[in-house]
Amino acid sequence: DTAVSQTPKYLVTQMGNDKSIKCEQNLGHDTMYWYKQDSKKFLKIMFSYNNKELIINETVPNRFSPKSPDKAHLNLHINSLELGDSAVYFCASSQAGRAVYFGPGTRLTVL
Amino acid sequence: QQQVKQSPQSLIVQKGGIPIINCAYENTAFDYFPWYQQFPGKGPALLIAIRPDVSEKKEGRFTISFNKSAKQFSLHIMDSQPGDSATYFCAAFYSGGYQKVTFGTGTKLQVIP
Repeated sequence: DTAVSQTPKYLVTQMGNDKSIKCEQNLGHDTMYWYKQDSKKFLKIMFSYNNKELIINETVPNRFSPKSPDKAHLNLHINSLELGDSAVYFCASSQAGRAVYFGPGTRLTVL
Repeated sequence: QQQVKQSPQSLIVQKGGIPIINCAYENTAFDYFPWYQQFPGKGPALLIAIRPDVSEKKEGRFTISFNKSAKQFSLHIMDSQPGDSATYFCAAFYSGGYQKVTFGTGTKLQVIP
């Protein structure tokens, strides 16, 4: 009965590789997000999708490309990974006007 | 531009104490103020939230106090327990549009037995 799930939980990869993180929510929410949490615990929004449409795109390198095949899924693909991309990435979802619910996070380590 | 300022950065209290975490916001359009609790290795979990039409909200041992004129809100944890040790984030957003949630910088709370 997981609300927001994401895979994988851990991702260790070499610089220059391409990787994807998958996210699914079963809450029936219409908005999904990707957040990045750095080593200092700062939470920063990267993208937001509402009903599969991109509505928030913060200043994120275009190596990051989100894709939303349907309302319940939002994936994140990262090309040409760099050391600075190491962080914890959280998927989240919400219904209009209500609080955001987070997934368990994916810890990405770029070597 | 930091739109939600949170303090303190870290806090140590003894079991039974009442830690207080403060947040101040700038954008008067914000109308929804949640607090999140994050344990190591987990995602932030919604703890309690308030709208600016009330000055206080309690849920169990957690209380939010809200001061609209000062644009400040705070989290109080009554009878704190070691299990409350976590990082706490305040947040704010305008619920009428697409929620671009702005988070505070987090407060690491340690409750010692």
